[in-house]
Amino acid sequence: EPEVTQTPSHQVTQMGQEVILRCVPISNHLYFYWYRQILGQKVEFLVSFYNNEISEKSEIFDDQFSVERPDGSNFTLKIRSTKLEDSAMYFCASSTPGQTPMKQFFGPGTRLTVL
Amino acid sequence: RKEVEQDPGPFNVPEGATVAFNCTYSNSASQSFFWYRQDCRKEPKLLMSVYSSGNEDGRFTAQLNRASQYISLLIRDSKLSDSATYLCVVLRGGNQAGTALIFGKGTTLSVSS
Repeated sequence: EPEVTQTPSHQVTQMGQEVILRCVPISNHLYFYWYRQILGQKVEFLVSFYNNEISEKSEIFDDQFSVERPDGSNFTLKIRSTKLEDSAMYFCASSTPGQTPMKQFFGPGTRLTVL
Repeated sequence: RKEVEQDPGPFNVPEGATVAFNCTYSNSASQSFFWYRQDCRKEPKLLMSVYSSGNEDGRFTAQLNRASQYISLLIRDSKLSDSATYLCVVLRGGNQAGTALIFGKGTTLSVSS
């Protein structure tokens, strides 16, 4: 069964450093998403992406964040200057149009620890 | 009012028990609803979609009441492997691709032998 993959599984960084989290969505999916989950809290939407453009973003997704699809398979989330409060689990998800209801499938996540 | 609200539990039940989880949502324009399951420190996994007519998948039954903005999940004959956090999830707005999923905080289930 096809699945979303993410690398790395765990990233440790110093405050102020840039990080790039990588995702490979399911191959025939066209919509891509990033969510985050701070330890002990609910999963929160960050951004959705389609056709090389952001479709929707939350207020969490400020200028420190950016997304990119650098090639035909990868989807990345960049955090320019990490803060302590960026420590969280980051989940990538993907979906395909034409489903009712629209289902999003999640990758295993990257645990980001900012020191 | 929170967008998606769930009783956090925990629900501690013996194997074989029937357990029900409830959820309310605030956006009356929402059209798509789901239950996801999340094991500790893992990704959310889609358990089932929820339809107004009610739907069943094996031991799991989901129900939606649009008038009350209320979603439920019933698990019959609980297994040890059902122990997890169950997330009530609503697609914000219409059923368009690229729309955000809004998650509840989850209800924790612990099934014991």
